[in-house]
Amino acid sequence: QIVVTQEPSVTVSPGGTVTLTCASSTGAVTSGNYPNWFHQKPGQAPMPLIFSMTYRHSWTPARFSGSLLGGKAALTLSGVQPEDEAVYYCLLYYGGAWVFGGGTKLTVL
Amino acid sequence: QVQLQESGPGLVKPSETLSLTCIVSGGPISNHYWTWIRQTPGKGLEWIGHIHYRESTSYNPSLRSRVTISLDTAKNQFSVQLTSVTAADTAVYYCARVGGATRDFAYWGQGTLVTVSS
Repeated sequence: QIVVTQEPSVTVSPGGTVTLTCASSTGAVTSGNYPNWFHQKPGQAPMPLIFSMTYRHSWTPARFSGSLLGGKAALTLSGVQPEDEAVYYCLLYYGGAWVFGGGTKLTVL
Repeated sequence: QVQLQESGPGLVKPSETLSLTCIVSGGPISNHYWTWIRQTPGKGLEWIGHIHYRESTSYNPSLRSRVTISLDTAKNQFSVQLTSVTAADTAVYYCARVGGATRDFAYWGQGTLVTVSS
């Protein structure tokens, strides 16, 4: 069974920069895993942020960026805003099937 | 603007079959993967499976023996059936569209809560 691992929780100060990561139990994440990132606020559906590792959706603020970092997919938030407080999920593709990470609760404090 | 809307019973009895439909508006069911995802209360997200518009399917291995996803191009909708449900299947169920080439999950339904209880 494939496991996708994210940090359980991260705290960042307003205006700061934070990087969340997404690791695969099968080894290094690659572009072939088409990493997607979402955030979810209480009572809402997940909001897509990044797809295919680095591409923002048209509605995604420029302060969100996706990359590959040390064999993991990464989501960097620069100039964090209070409204960025949410749970962040990554999603990886494995040749026909998708696996979500467990989510990172981002606290802006 | 593509929109997706889940519909179906909010309450299912244990051992029965959960059936949900996702109605797609604003575009045809073509050139994409049509996907079901669920989220158990207070927990994370779980990919259930998808169907391609050419009607090939792929399912989460942990659910494969119980799940079927089907497509109705005439009605522009797709459906999921999950058999032999238990309380562990209580969740918010989301439908989503996944871009065929870009593998993006840009469009989601609002989600529908299904409770398994007698």
